[in-house]
Order: sequence, then structure tokens, then C-alpha cells
Amino acid sequence: EVQLVQSGAEVKKPGDSLKISCKASGYTFTNSWIGWVRQMPGKGLEWMGIIYPRDSDTRYSPSFQGQVSISADKSISTAYLQWSSLKASDTATYYCARQVMQHFDFWSQGTLVTVSS
Amino acid sequence: DIQMTQSPSSLSASVGDRVTITCRASQSISTYLNWYQQEPGKAPRLLIYAASSLQSGVPSRFSGSGSGTDFALTISTLQPEDFATYYCQQSYTTPWTFGQGTKVEIK
Repeated sequence: EVQLVQSGAEVKKPGDSLKISCKASGYTFTNSWIGWVRQMPGKGLEWMGIIYPRDSDTRYSPSFQGQVSISADKSISTAYLQWSSLKASDTATYYCARQVMQHFDFWSQGTLVTVSS
Repeated sequence: DIQMTQSPSSLSASVGDRVTITCRASQSISTYLNWYQQEPGKAPRLLIYAASSLQSGVPSRFSGSGSGTDFALTISTLQPEDFATYYCQQSYTTPWTFGQGTKVEIK
């Protein structure tokens, strides 16, 4: 059974750094891209970027390029989304999802990140 | 970026109704169009991929159509569990982009 399990909710202050995780199981992690999607409170879905764990090839949306970093550790089947300096506007739920062909077929439960002073 | 525009933004319908949501792309995307359902407080769920292919496990009352720039998601007979928000997404080119969502509410 395919599973994607994300790390728990985070409460941070502006300027803090953060790395959230997405652990995959039930399939060969290195054979599929993993994507990250943002959902701000009460808003729609935004595609942030994707990573291919086999070689760490990464693609970013221009809207998120330079704002976040996507990485993966294939030895533990885990993808990451990282910020070096959080802003209040980063408050959102972040989802990881497995990409198969040209769609996201499995989604994780999401990680709520709250940034507040 | 390719812009995706859904209509309507929201609709009220009754159990048993036939519901159609449309999605228009700002340029041709062939059939690189996916539909997702999101219930409140839950992660999105894939319903339709490649414009008209039904994801495994999704009820057959959901169907998708279209190509080029105009697409539609149809729910043939609305069920209580279908009250949710629906998003289209293009995967023709990165960055993949989503429509703004269509909220289906109980009349």
C-alpha cells in the first residue's frame, strides 16, 4: 500500500528556519517524482516544485524558486521542504504527493506550518 | 504560466442532481488535465487524469471530458459525500497550475 507520511504541525517565528519531511513507503521511492503543494488558509492549491529522488533532479515554480528548497534522501525514502527564513506569509498547509505520469496519484495528509511572532 | 479558470466558483445542488464544472486553460494543453476533489480538512484526492481517465477506486458517476483549452468534470448523480471543492490542474508544462476551485454545496 502506497503511503506518504508527513511530519507534524509546526509553529515558528518569522526568521526561523524549518525543514518538513515526507516519508514514502509501499513503492519504489526512486522511481517516481515527488511534488510539494501549498494551500494557504481558505485558499486554493499551488504547485511549488518536484524532485526525482533517484538523481535529485528538481524543478521549481518561479513563484517559489529561491524561497524554498526541495531535497530527498533516497536511503530513507524521504523528501523534504525547507525554508531558511520563514515569513508570516508562509503560513499554510503543505502537501507532498507522488507523481505518476503527469498527475499526482497519492497525497499525504499535509503539514500545517504557522509563522507568527 | 498557464492560467486555469474554473466555473462556477461555487454551486448549490441537491442529492441526485447532475453537476458539471468547467475548466478553461489559457493555451492549449492537449489532454494534460487532471481533476481533484478536496473535502474540508483533508488532502486532495485524484479523480480524473489525462482529461477523461478515471482513477482507480473512484466511482463511475464521475467523468471528465475535453481537450485543447476546454474541459469539464461531470458528476452524474450527486451523492452526499460529493459535497466538496473540486480543482482542475494542467500538467502540460511546469509549473503545473491549478484552477481556483469550485465548491459544491448542499442546496
